[in-house]
Amino acid sequence: DGGITQSPKYLFRKEGQNVTLSCEQNLNHDAMYWYRQDPGQGLRLIYYSQIVNDFQKGDIAEGYSVSREKKESFPLTVTSAQKNPTAFYLCASSIIGATGANVLTFGAGSRLTVL
Amino acid sequence: QKEVEQDPGPLSVPEGAIVSLNCTYSNSAFQYFMWYRQYSRKGPELLMYTYSSGNKEDGRFTAQVDKSSKYISLFIRDSQPSDSATYLCAIKGGGSNYKLTFGKGTLLTVNP
Repeated sequence: DGGITQSPKYLFRKEGQNVTLSCEQNLNHDAMYWYRQDPGQGLRLIYYSQIVNDFQKGDIAEGYSVSREKKESFPLTVTSAQKNPTAFYLCASSIIGATGANVLTFGAGSRLTVL
Repeated sequence: QKEVEQDPGPLSVPEGAIVSLNCTYSNSAFQYFMWYRQYSRKGPELLMYTYSSGNKEDGRFTAQVDKSSKYISLFIRDSQPSDSATYLCAIKGGGSNYKLTFGKGTLLTVNP
């Protein structure tokens, strides 16, 4: 079945540590996205990538980094510079078209807790 | 004014009730309107999307868009306990603008 796989599902981190969240898709989608979800805040865009080896900052990129070396993979690193990293992180992908709804397919999410 | 406003609830209804979920938006350039459903500790999944004003029906779900009022709704008929989830509206502009703007989500509980 086609879909998006995020790992790990749960992750605990000590302050000052970098952590990397994995996101893999087998939908052959061009674009991939990382969102952060906090209670009462909705979804906020961290980074997105429309093509391999290219990515752009979203609304809350500070303290995060990404790479897009393969079409299928878009890992997110939460660095020690992120002051409040405890959150639910969602990876998504979509087909890129010149127009259209840009419907996103989401993974199951990764919950990061900083101890 | 926020681009998309959505009442976070929570909303609690008895089984079989008709549920109305709503969002308002401020930018008249928005052209695509989506509803996602998110179960607890899961990723959102697309329920419906519409492009034009009017109604779109899919089983027990009806999405309604009123562009003149900048108001979108999702109606759930004969609600079931399995409908208990957070419902997120998402809106997008036209052209090559990729970006979706999400509402904060409404938490719905359907009680048996």
